[in-house]
Amino acid sequence: EDQVTQSPEALRLQEGESSSLNCSYTVSGLRGLFWYRQDPGKGPEFLFTLYSAGEEKEKERLKATLTKKESFLHITAPKPEDSATYLCAALPTGGGNKLTFGTGTQLKVEL
Amino acid sequence: DAGVIQSPRHEVTEMGQEVTLRCKLISGHNSLFWYRQTMMRGLELLIYFNNNVPIDDSGMPEDRFSAKMPNASFSTLKIQPSEPRDSAVYFCASSLGGSNQPQHFGDGTRLSIL
Repeated sequence: EDQVTQSPEALRLQEGESSSLNCSYTVSGLRGLFWYRQDPGKGPEFLFTLYSAGEEKEKERLKATLTKKESFLHITAPKPEDSATYLCAALPTGGGNKLTFGTGTQLKVEL
Repeated sequence: DAGVIQSPRHEVTEMGQEVTLRCKLISGHNSLFWYRQTMMRGLELLIYFNNNVPIDDSGMPEDRFSAKMPNASFSTLKIQPSEPRDSAVYFCASSLGGSNQPQHFGDGTRLSIL
């Protein structure tokens, strides 16, 4: 069964304190690995797609990386506005059209 | 540009009533996804349409759930009869070109069945 596990479940950082979120996946081949940000009361907002091991993508203070078993979302010098729940999702090659989502990492960045 | 628009934002109704959730896709997108989000199970895909045709409905929990796309820009998700365990946040998302393209989500309908 396809599975996506995110850690930690919750993370509290001071402003400027860099860290990484982990997304481990077990799927029958990977077509794509997606990262989303979700704010309270809102729908997930697309951040990145990674398609192959070794690929990296950056956007402002965020960088996503991908290996054959996991993905990391690195947050450099975070600000309070980076506080949100970060979701990753895997699209397997043999799973039709179904994204398997992790349960998310709830990030809070404090002044 | 307008994003995915869902209505209503909140719905509270009694067990046994029919519930209809609505979704307007982003203009030009041809794929539509309905999801359900709960604390216990996270985000789960219910059904996926491509070019107005249902492609994968394996996530639809029971016959009480049905979804339609009467045209290329609009979809409905109906629950009849509703049960308390259906309480969740329901999202729709659209994309240009299927599951391997970024999905853009609406802000959801928070459904409470009493």
